[in-house]
Order: sequence, then structure tokens, then C-alpha cells
Amino acid sequence: GAGVSQTPSNKVTEKGKYVELRCDPISGHTALYWYRQSLGQGPEFLIYFQGTGAADDSGLPNDRFFAVRPEGSVSTLKIQRTERGDSAVYLCASSSLSGGASEQFFGPGTRLTVL
Amino acid sequence: GESVGLHLPTLSVQEGDNSIINCAYSNSASDYFIWYKQESGKGPQFIIDIRSNMDKRQGQRVTVLLNKTVKHLSLQIAATQPGDSAVYFCAENRARFGAGTRLTVKP
Repeated sequence: GAGVSQTPSNKVTEKGKYVELRCDPISGHTALYWYRQSLGQGPEFLIYFQGTGAADDSGLPNDRFFAVRPEGSVSTLKIQRTERGDSAVYLCASSSLSGGASEQFFGPGTRLTVL
Repeated sequence: GESVGLHLPTLSVQEGDNSIINCAYSNSASDYFIWYKQESGKGPQFIIDIRSNMDKRQGQRVTVLLNKTVKHLSLQIAATQPGDSAVYFCAENRARFGAGTRLTVKP
């Protein structure tokens, strides 16, 4: 079956602009995670959804970052007033269970470049 | 502060040898650990996980060992193959990732 998909695969924007990054999880997966990964580093947790609600948003760096998952499936990560430091690969992952030991499937990521 | 990290940034092994990748953590309250493999240009791929009530778990060609006394986690890959070349991350409760170890398998 289809895995986790993310669109766009690449996004180039200018400093100060608004961007939306989309994640389509595996069908039926209730848990969805957003991470960002800078070059040469491990993924950095941003936010975790269980169903429609954000169960843990402690990783969002500031109020310019926001994510939604209105119907418990597709999620959108929104970044306002982008800064050059926001440039990274944004990864989405989904799993069938929340806190339990369940395999987590990652998408290929969206590479965001802020000029 | 609390941290999850790896002892070695790079590891080079001969094809067919066994590989051991290490990870140290400092949050004694962590109860779930995962190893991921990430190839260039791709998202991380789940390899194996372990809960804190276990000290060993085996998968296909991989074994994870957890030593809670010294807060140490290791991933053992048996009969390493060129396709195993990648960056390997340990993660704590899916939220805290180490910087990664790059494994290179020489033919």
C-alpha cells in the first residue's frame, strides 16, 4: 500500500513569507508526527497528533509554527514569517498506535529553503 | 541537561562483519527506544524498538541491547551488507534523536 507522502518535495521561499507543508499519513494511522532535520543532525521533534488533536506540541520552536489535522488524516504544518533559520527538511511520520510500541513510518520529507 | 547521543560519528566495517553502533542516553525515565536507518535523501526507516522492561530484542539480522544501569543502547547488525550503509539514529520515546552514526560497509 501507499506510504506516507509529503508535498511539496521542495519549497523555496523568501524570508518573511508564509508556507504550508502537507503530510498524507498511511490510511488508518491515528498518530502523526512532525519533525525537522537540519543537515548532519538527527530529526528534531515538533508536534504529535493523536487523531485530530495535538497531543504534544512542545517541540514547536515559537508561535510562527502551527500545525493542524482537522479530520484526523492529512496534516498541514504552517510557518509564518519564515526566517532563514527555518531552512531544513521537514519530516512527517505516522503510526497506528500512540504511545505504544508501534512501528513509525516516515515520509520522504519536504526540503524548505528560505532565501 | 538530558541528552541522547552516540559515541561514534562514523563506523567503517568490512562486508560480512558484524557491526555495533552505540548510543548513550541520560534520561533515566525514558521507557521506549527506537533505532532508525536513514539513507541519503530519504526519511528515517524504523529498524527495531525496545521497551525499558526488556534488555534485549532481536529482529532479522539486528539485535538491540539496553543497559539501563549505565543508560546505554546498542544496535548490532549481523553479517553487514553494502545495503546497510546509512546513518543510524537512536531515539528516545520517538521525540529525542541522537546526532547519528554513519555506517560505511566496505566490499
